[in-house]
Amino acid sequence: EAQVTQNPRYLITVTGKKLTVTCSQNMNHEYMSWYRQDPGLGLRQIYYSMNVEVTDKGDVPEGYKVSRKEKRNFPLILESPSPNQTSLYFCASSSRVGTEAFFGQGTRLTVV
Amino acid sequence: DAKTTQPTSMDCAEGRAANLPCNHSTISGNEYVYWYRQIHSQGPQYIIHGLKNNETNEMASLIITEDRKSSTLILPHATLRDTAVYYCIVRLLRGSTLGRLYFGRGTQLTVWP
Repeated sequence: EAQVTQNPRYLITVTGKKLTVTCSQNMNHEYMSWYRQDPGLGLRQIYYSMNVEVTDKGDVPEGYKVSRKEKRNFPLILESPSPNQTSLYFCASSSRVGTEAFFGQGTRLTVV
Repeated sequence: DAKTTQPTSMDCAEGRAANLPCNHSTISGNEYVYWYRQIHSQGPQYIIHGLKNNETNEMASLIITEDRKSSTLILPHATLRDTAVYYCIVRLLRGSTLGRLYFGRGTQLTVWP
């Protein structure tokens, strides 16, 4: 089954403790991206990747890092999480920019 | 990418057609109109997209006006499972904003029995 898998689905952590949210897709898609969703602000893009080793900032990249060492994986790294990064995070992939994007189930992160 | 304007909320009776409007008056000639929906904090789901011709697939129809300044997503026979937030997105497929999807606030569609 074609899918985008995020882990974990839920995470509660403390300020400053590094964490990684993983994202994996099984569709051999070139394009992957991360979004955060906050009440009243909608979905905002954090980072995206056009292909392996090619990444670029979205609209809200501050406090986040990403890497794309393999085509299928696109982890989101929070080196020093802060409470304002409490949010619902989504990973997405598509075969190329402009085609249908598939989204993961989401990761609900709480930073206390 | 051009901005879009959608109503905040709409209601529809089950079994009836749901017509969701979207204004994109600043759209340029090479920008596509996309529709996604999000059911209660799940990942957004692609519905349909088009450039200037009307499009139809198994989920919905997309009607784009001739001047391309607005469009309507039609769910021909709405069901309770269609209750969701619907996002209209206008998107360049090349250029400096390549790769970005701007979701906006969307329209909360509620389908009632």
